Amino acid sequence: DTGVSQDPRHKITKRGQNVTFRCDPISEHNRLYWYRQTLGQGPEFLTYFQNEAQLEKSRLLSDRFSAERPKGSFSTLEIQRTEQGDSAMYLCASSPGQYNEQFFGPGTRLTVL
Amino acid sequence: QKEVEQNSGPLSVPEGAIASLNCTYSDRVSQSFFWYRQYSGKSPELIMSIYSNGDKEDGRFTAQLNKASQYVSLLIRDSQPSDSATYLCAGGGLTGGGNKLTFGTGTQLKVEL
Repeated sequence: DTGVSQDPRHKITKRGQNVTFRCDPISEHNRLYWYRQTLGQGPEFLTYFQNEAQLEKSRLLSDRFSAERPKGSFSTLEIQRTEQGDSAMYLCASSPGQYNEQFFGPGTRLTVL
Repeated sequence: QKEVEQNSGPLSVPEGAIASLNCTYSDRVSQSFFWYRQYSGKSPELIMSIYSNGDKEDGRFTAQLNKASQYVSLLIRDSQPSDSATYLCAGGGLTGGGNKLTFGTGTQLKVEL
């Protein structure tokens, strides 16, 4: 049973560039979540999919952020025109749907210079 | 008032002692709760979930939920140096819908030899 995987694990980019992250959930988990975590804080919810449907988006998710889960399996999170304030760990979690237990991937650490 | 609150610590306990971690939540947070362990630079790892009033034990870990007091705790018995990490308390979902987790800022635990 493989866990949640994320790619890349680290990304360094210059301000203004676009970046895209990928998340592969645990097989057969129909719920997929994106969170963002900065130093000294707990993860903050960004968005959530059930199968391919994006059901909830946080107000943190500005129009520069977009997420997709086209076939209900893997998901991508794109950040356009990155800003230094976007520097954070981007975490993906998946859930089988019952009881809200969510299992996190290793995260993608983004540094915007 | 934050929705999920934790004392940031650090909480220092000697090896072999019981570590007690506490979390309070606002009435907007759902009635499902989770404890995650996070080592520095790593992603959160689910260690306990609790859904109803009372205690739930799993190995050296016991989670306690008191809905009347809006209080969740985690006890770690026979603490080991490998337990040194940040422990994140999370509430599942918000009143009115959604399945996102709302996290506290975490409590840093140090188990000393």
